[in-house]
Amino acid sequence: GAGVSQSPRYKVAKRGQDVALRCDPISGHVSLFWYQQALGQGPEFLTYFQNEAQLDKSGLPSDRFFAERPEGSVSTLKIQRTQQEDSAVYLCASSLEGQGTYEQYFGPGTRLTVT
Amino acid sequence: AQSVSQHNHHVILSEAASLELGCNYSYGGTVNLFWYVQYPGQHLQLLLKYFSGDPLVKGIKGFEAEFIKSKFSFNLRKPSVQWSDTAEYFCAVNPSYGNNRLAFGKGNQVVVIP
Repeated sequence: GAGVSQSPRYKVAKRGQDVALRCDPISGHVSLFWYQQALGQGPEFLTYFQNEAQLDKSGLPSDRFFAERPEGSVSTLKIQRTQQEDSAVYLCASSLEGQGTYEQYFGPGTRLTVT
Repeated sequence: AQSVSQHNHHVILSEAASLELGCNYSYGGTVNLFWYVQYPGQHLQLLLKYFSGDPLVKGIKGFEAEFIKSKFSFNLRKPSVQWSDTAEYFCAVNPSYGNNRLAFGKGNQVVVIP
């Protein structure tokens, strides 16, 4: 079956531009996560949705970052006024349920480069 | 909040050698433990996981990991590596109850020389 898909796979933005990153989770998966992976680092948690409800956004690094999942399926991570430190791979993951015992399935990521 | 430590970020070894990657975590409660692998050009995928029960867990491709509660460790092992095991390996944890956000280590870049 189809896995988690993300688009675009690569994005180059000039500093100050706004970007929108899309995630299509596995169909039927209740939980959706966004992670940020800087070069040479492990993924770091950004935010978590259960259906359309954003239950945890404590990992968002600033108020320039905003995520939504309005219909409980596709999610968009928006970064306003991008800065060079935003350059990273943004990973989306989904899981069937919200409990920690459920495996998170990761997408291929969007590599964002801010110039 | 939980945190994860992985040491020896770059590991180079020859085929048939044994591999052991260390993972230590800090968290006051019970946790679920995971090893994820990322092969070149591919996305993160689950290698193995521990929730409860037998602390020695076996995953795909001949990998295994042992949970030692007293040492807060979950080390990954493979007795004999292959060239195809070249990848980046990440240890991750989340609390057994509540928010299941994963906390990852920095990863181990493993290169297996044919």
